[in-house]
Amino acid sequence: DGGITQSPKYLFRKEGQNVTLSCEQNLNHDAMYWYRQDPGQGLRLIYYSQIVNDFQKGDIAEGYSVSREKKESFPLTVTSAQKNPTAFYLCASSIWKPEANTGELFFGEGSRLTVL
Amino acid sequence: SQELEQSPQSLIVQEGKNLTINCTSSKTLYGLYWYKQKYGEGLIFLMMLQKGGEEKSHEKITAKLDEKKQQSSLHITASQPSHAGTYLCGADTAGGATNKLIFGTGTLLAVQP
Repeated sequence: DGGITQSPKYLFRKEGQNVTLSCEQNLNHDAMYWYRQDPGQGLRLIYYSQIVNDFQKGDIAEGYSVSREKKESFPLTVTSAQKNPTAFYLCASSIWKPEANTGELFFGEGSRLTVL
Repeated sequence: SQELEQSPQSLIVQEGKNLTINCTSSKTLYGLYWYKQKYGEGLIFLMMLQKGGEEKSHEKITAKLDEKKQQSSLHITASQPSHAGTYLCGADTAGGATNKLIFGTGTLLAVQP
C-alpha cells in the first residue's frame, strides 16, 4: 500500500548528540515537509522540499538540517544546536494539483524524540 | 500570535449529541483542511474546502467555509466514541504554490458512552 513511513517511532537521545529521523514515501509526491508538534502549540513547519535537491526553511529551522537526494526520502537531522528537541515530529508529503491551486498533505505516523 | 484560532480547545460530549468546532483566521484562507489525530499518531485527512460558502459532508461530519473565507466550522452529528480524538484545521494563507500549511492548536474531543 502507498503511504509515508517514519522511523523510528520512539527515540531517546542524550544531550549533545545528533539524531536523524527517517521519512520515506512511495506516493510519488513531489513535495515533502517536516513539522514539529508540541502540546498546546499545534504543528510548526521545520523544513520543506518541493523537488529533489532543493529544500527551504520553515518557521523553526534553527538546529535542524535536511537533505533531499531522492524523491522518496526526506530525512531530518536534529542537531545538538536545537535547544529544546524533545517533541513529536511529523513528516508529510503532497502532490500539487495545479488545476485546483492546492493539494492536501498526507502524514506519516510520527516519531517521538526524547532528550535525556 | 496564532494565525489560526480553534475553539473550543477541548470538548466532552455524550454519545449521540451534536457538536461544532470552529477555526478562525484574520487572513483569507486559500485552502482550508480538516484533519483528525489520535494521540501519538499521524494526522488523517478529513476534508478540504476552498470556495467561499462551500460545504462538504462525509458520513456524519460536515465542514463549512464562510463566504469571506476566514472561518470554517466542523460539525459532527450524533457523535460516537469513534469520533474521539484531536481535530486540527490547517490552512494555506499564502495562496502560492508551496502548499505550506499553518495549523491551529487543535480541539480535543472526548465522547462519553
